[in-house]
Amino acid sequence: DAGVIQSPRHEVTEMGQEVTLRCKPISGHDYLFWYRQTMMRGLELLIYFNNNVPIDDSGMPEDRFSAKMPNASFSTLKIQPSEPRDSAVYFCASSPLAMGGTDTQYFGPGTRLTVL
Amino acid sequence: KQEVTQIPAALSVPEGENLVLNCSFTDSAIYNLQWFRQDPGKGLTSLLLIQSSQREQTSGRLNASLDKSSGRSTLYIAASQPGDSATYLCAVKNAGGTSYGKLTFGQGTILTVHP
Repeated sequence: DAGVIQSPRHEVTEMGQEVTLRCKPISGHDYLFWYRQTMMRGLELLIYFNNNVPIDDSGMPEDRFSAKMPNASFSTLKIQPSEPRDSAVYFCASSPLAMGGTDTQYFGPGTRLTVL
Repeated sequence: KQEVTQIPAALSVPEGENLVLNCSFTDSAIYNLQWFRQDPGKGLTSLLLIQSSQREQTSGRLNASLDKSSGRSTLYIAASQPGDSATYLCAVKNAGGTSYGKLTFGQGTILTVHP
């Protein structure tokens, strides 16, 4: 398996622009997670999906952030409008088992977002 | 709310030294604890996963221990090499509370092994 795939790997945009990050989870994994990593706050969970349904979005910082999973092999995280404080590395991860299971999550390479 | 702390924040050692990274967590209701490695500009690579019922896991020069009751884990790296230089992250999978099933990460230890 190719692992979790994210695109783009790097994104530079200007404040106020819309940004869309993409993720393809590992085939057969029922859970998909979006994280944000910053120097100040470390790795934070933004939202996760089970079988394409958003389960917990309590980590989404503001209404400017939205995430969708239209099918089992694709998810997007959108920021509209973007702000400089959104600059971070965004990771997508997937997991095969239930949240109460003993398995772990498999991380993609991340998208480094810079908002000027 | 689960909190994970890693000590030290940064560590610089000469090649060949044995070293220990520390991780502590506040809520012992966990499914497992995992150590990840993160190279600059890259994603997270899983190194070792310890289930809550286990005491330790070994992989090559790496050994991780878990004392769930005291909320502590250590990652031992034997005979360190420059290629071990990276950020090491500790994460617990929560088994209770509002963070059920979620991973809580520490801030990481930045390791530099110089020749």
